[in-house]
Amino acid sequence: DAKTTQPTSMDCAEGRAANLPCNHSTISGNEYVYWYRQIHSQGPQYIIHGLKNNETNEMASLIITEDRKSSTLILPHATLRDTAVYYCIVRVAGGTSYGKLTFGQGTILTVHP
Amino acid sequence: EPEVTQTPSHQVTQMGQEVILRCVPISNHLYFYWYRQILGQKVEFLVSFYNNEISEKSEIFDDQFSVERPDGSNFTLKIRSTKLEDSAMYFCASTPLYQETQYFGPGTRLLVL
Repeated sequence: DAKTTQPTSMDCAEGRAANLPCNHSTISGNEYVYWYRQIHSQGPQYIIHGLKNNETNEMASLIITEDRKSSTLILPHATLRDTAVYYCIVRVAGGTSYGKLTFGQGTILTVHP
Repeated sequence: EPEVTQTPSHQVTQMGQEVILRCVPISNHLYFYWYRQILGQKVEFLVSFYNNEISEKSEIFDDQFSVERPDGSNFTLKIRSTKLEDSAMYFCASTPLYQETQYFGPGTRLLVL
């Protein structure tokens, strides 16, 4: 699986959009971008994933650049409960990929009142 | 919404003792995983399990570790002779067939004294 690079930490004001970047310059054509988050030592929580098109669900939006070398997770209206570590994970889809997720250090997002 | 559950939430044991950590995956899921997170460190993959056998395991998952699906609902991780360095949060996760999103449980905090 391709390596990802994320900022160590970010701050965001409550009610504003939080934009979390991720670089994955060595991503392959069959690799998806996944985002998980971990709130204070709880189990990681799935947020969203995508291959090349932008994706949106009830939690967030995922914007993937055309060359697929980077992506941004957008929390449109951050709340205090969104304070967490956010992990960007690149992973091969299909075949034997029902396998491990490789977590990095992630980005610590702190949402301020 | 269905959730992965884990018991116990906390376990304290003496070095050298055997521990069994229990997980109940989401009912229609077929792929199961264990991860661990030592305090302050990354979430690390231990093992994946499908069709009653191990699909993949990490270097951490040595002969002291074993997994089992003893019945149709439980998935267990056994550590035969615990070491101090086994102290960590242990997370179980599961995935349904034809999907690749892993859903995590809340974790078991294991402390080895």
